[in-house]
Amino acid sequence: SYVLIQPPSMSVAPGKTARITCGGNNIGSKTVHWYQQKPGQAPVLVIYYDSDRPSGIPERFSGSNSGNTATLTISRVEAGDEADYYCQVWDSSSDQRVFGGGTKLTVL
Amino acid sequence: QVQLEQSGAEVKKPGASVKVSCKASGYIFTSYYIHWVRQAPGQGLEWMGIINPSGGSQTYTQKLQGRVTMTRDTSTSTVYVELTSLRSEDTAVYYCARQPGVVAAPLDYWGQGTLVTVSS
Repeated sequence: SYVLIQPPSMSVAPGKTARITCGGNNIGSKTVHWYQQKPGQAPVLVIYYDSDRPSGIPERFSGSNSGNTATLTISRVEAGDEADYYCQVWDSSSDQRVFGGGTKLTVL
Repeated sequence: QVQLEQSGAEVKKPGASVKVSCKASGYIFTSYYIHWVRQAPGQGLEWMGIINPSGGSQTYTQKLQGRVTMTRDTSTSTVYVELTSLRSEDTAVYYCARQPGVVAAPLDYWGQGTLVTVSS
């Protein structure tokens, strides 16, 4: 089955840039979505189709996908961005949806 | 506005079954797939499966094959997930989420979650 690998945690100072990676075999050939989840809340879609932003999501959130790594970039990080972030793909070979293990972002 | 309203928390004994509901509103029910995703305490998101409310077809994760069933009632715009032979590892928050009817589309709206606790 297809596996997505994310760093378990990362920390960043306010105003800096956070880059959260999602590794998978030839993930660049797949479509990647990113979700933000704050404690006690349901996940929220923040990036879809690799780099598109839903309405209401700040322009500070962006995404890219190439080769074996997809990246969620959060510019000018704010305290309110502190959350868990999950990448997700559709594995067409097995018709299964797959989530990465999640990355806990801490704002220092 | 789009809403996915889930049923309330459940406490079950090992070996029992649980059925969680997800009532959709604010959009055309049969035009969007519904996924079920669960999250054990302190853990990540785990995809359980998908149902097409239009025809009722389902696809499940291999891990839960034989124990999970997803159904829908188009008259009430409600989707259900039933999990049988419950074990402690099934303790989790269960979410339903909507996917536009396009291949590889994202899960754009989520329910509030339903806590299922399995304990003797």
